[in-house]
Amino acid sequence: SQQGEEDPQALSIQEGENATMNCSYKTSINNLQWYRQNSGRGLVHLILIRSNEREKHSGRLRVTLDTSKKSSSLLITASRAADTASYFCATGRPTSGTYKYIFGTGTRLKVLA
Amino acid sequence: ETGVTQSPTHLIKTRGQQVTLRCSSQSGHNTVSWYQQALGQGPQFIFQYYREEENGRGNFPPRFSGLQFPNYSSELNVNALELDDSALYLCASSFLFSANYGYTFGSGTRLTVV
Repeated sequence: SQQGEEDPQALSIQEGENATMNCSYKTSINNLQWYRQNSGRGLVHLILIRSNEREKHSGRLRVTLDTSKKSSSLLITASRAADTASYFCATGRPTSGTYKYIFGTGTRLKVLA
Repeated sequence: ETGVTQSPTHLIKTRGQQVTLRCSSQSGHNTVSWYQQALGQGPQFIFQYYREEENGRGNFPPRFSGLQFPNYSSELNVNALELDDSALYLCASSFLFSANYGYTFGSGTRLTVV
């Protein structure tokens, strides 16, 4: 079963615009991560935010986390055609002495040149 | 530092057959997790291996099994293949207790069952 739900399911924007995608989850977490996937291949880790953090930046990426609302958002500023991909949130919870990550359903982003 | 390598990249099998997928983990990582990703869906957790033992399992039947070797590489075995097993299978390595780091994923194996 999916822990997270991304919204919107698909997003199409012009190059240079900002892209915002949201993730909602159901249970308490220790951290939340965002991944990018190009053309149905492997996932690339973008950013991790811990449950005691509210905002984190990495280059053109900005992630926020609201644990009271069980939601997170990923903002990509000044988007480029190369940002076209699917984006997934993954929530991490400790289980049996390790961390397992459960992925959401993804947002398909298309950046038009 | 090497990344995660999966083999083969593509595979076509007939319903009822058995398949073995392989994964070599990133140097320094001791935990391997396997995910199944159907077309248009998010990755679904199959199971995780640590110290050569299964360390958690998702909602997959027993015909999905795995192995982890002393060098931390891993195999995913699927018996009695069904058409719905057609998917991208992803392997991810990590370091146990690494709450502050994400997974390193391989490029996946695309399995088609006909």
